[in-house]
Amino acid sequence: QKEVEQNSGPLSVPEGAIASLNCTYSDRGSQSFFWYRQYSGKSPELIMSIYSNGDKEDGRFTAQLNKASQYVSLLIRDSQPSDSATYLCAVNAYGNKLVFGAGTILRVKS
Amino acid sequence: ETGVTQTPRHLVMGMTNKKSLKCEQHLGHNAMYWYKQSAKKPLELMFVYNFKEQTENNSVPSRFSPECPNSSHLFLHLHTLQPEDSALYLCASSQERSDGTDTQYFGPGTRLTVL
Repeated sequence: QKEVEQNSGPLSVPEGAIASLNCTYSDRGSQSFFWYRQYSGKSPELIMSIYSNGDKEDGRFTAQLNKASQYVSLLIRDSQPSDSATYLCAVNAYGNKLVFGAGTILRVKS
Repeated sequence: ETGVTQTPRHLVMGMTNKKSLKCEQHLGHNAMYWYKQSAKKPLELMFVYNFKEQTENNSVPSRFSPECPNSSHLFLHLHTLQPEDSALYLCASSQERSDGTDTQYFGPGTRLTVL
């Protein structure tokens, strides 16, 4: 059973702080990793994709991948109240089939 | 229209009704997907179509019937649903790549309530 695990939260951080979201996956053959943001009542919106070990930065967002540890994370710097949402980790193990985690709720307090 | 669109955005139906959900992608992609999202549960993949051919049916009950007439349009036909089928139904599309780096883009979803 291919699984993607996330802490459901909520993760509460003060405005301006760094939010760290974590995800582990079970299929060692996984090739592609994605972070989606989902506001309440809305559909998932792609934030980052990462395919190789290391860090990938895009604005205030940094995705980190460690395939040996089967671990992927998302860092949000200078967190804003507008970042409050559910963050979904998704893993593409083969073909074009994505397996999603249940999501981590992030709350940024002003 | 840009991206992935879905209609209707909200649907309330009785258990004996027949209705259809529509999805259209304007991204030139060759793969389309139906997902179900229930409260406090991960997104569940229902169906996958590549080049109009169904390549995945994730043990979905037959009361859900997909249709993909071309690579831009995807339908989900619903009949004799149960109250537990109430959920957010999401359509997504992607461009299939041989290196597995397909990125899926989601439509706004249809909020379905079955009475």
